[in-house]
Amino acid sequence: DIQMTQSPSSLSASVGDRVTITCRASQDISHALAWYQQKPGKAPKLLLYAASRLQSGVPSRFRGSGSGTAYSLTINTLQPEDFATYYCQHYYSTAHTFSQGTKLEIK
Amino acid sequence: QVILKESGPALVKPTETLTLTCTVSGFSLTDAKMGVGWIRQPPGKALEWVAHIFSSDEKSYSTSLKSRLAISKDTSKSQVVLTMTNMDPVDTATYYCARIWDDFLTGYYIPFDYWGQGTLVTVSS
Repeated sequence: DIQMTQSPSSLSASVGDRVTITCRASQDISHALAWYQQKPGKAPKLLLYAASRLQSGVPSRFRGSGSGTAYSLTINTLQPEDFATYYCQHYYSTAHTFSQGTKLEIK
Repeated sequence: QVILKESGPALVKPTETLTLTCTVSGFSLTDAKMGVGWIRQPPGKALEWVAHIFSSDEKSYSTSLKSRLAISKDTSKSQVVLTMTNMDPVDTATYYCARIWDDFLTGYYIPFDYWGQGTLVTVSS
């Protein structure tokens, strides 16, 4: 199975900052990557798919990029509601593995 | 309006079989390239993809759980059922179902865009 490694595991930032989270696959996944946001006690929310396509209704401050095995999620101008845990997930093969996540906390 | 709702026991004993049902509305399990998956999350831990099934009846299972899993659908009831045998305390988790589909209008595969609220399953004697 393809393994997904996300970094950092936790991150402290302030409102208005820009942050970047990276996700590395154990093999080329050809942009078959999604990013999710999860808040405590809630189901995850799909933010981006195909590495860089914004899901409907998601603010444009969320940007995805990358190719091959290396991908990133950038959040520009952090808002209070963005403090949450973020996961990447590949869907290149039938086993749609998630990463271990990044907890984004307020500094 | 797309809605998914999980149902099943909140408590199961070790070695028992868990049966979870996901009832969907707002889309059809017979639509081309439409699917439903199961994802679980132990308390305080990361998401783990478990299985999914498409309208074509194509099924995929987590490698680590495959021997214990079965996923099926009942299109007449708009339900997807997941069974997991030989439950263990390490299987204690919130189990979510979510929609997955292939948007042939755009050519994009859309992973898990709508989720249920999740159901907590505790494995304990």
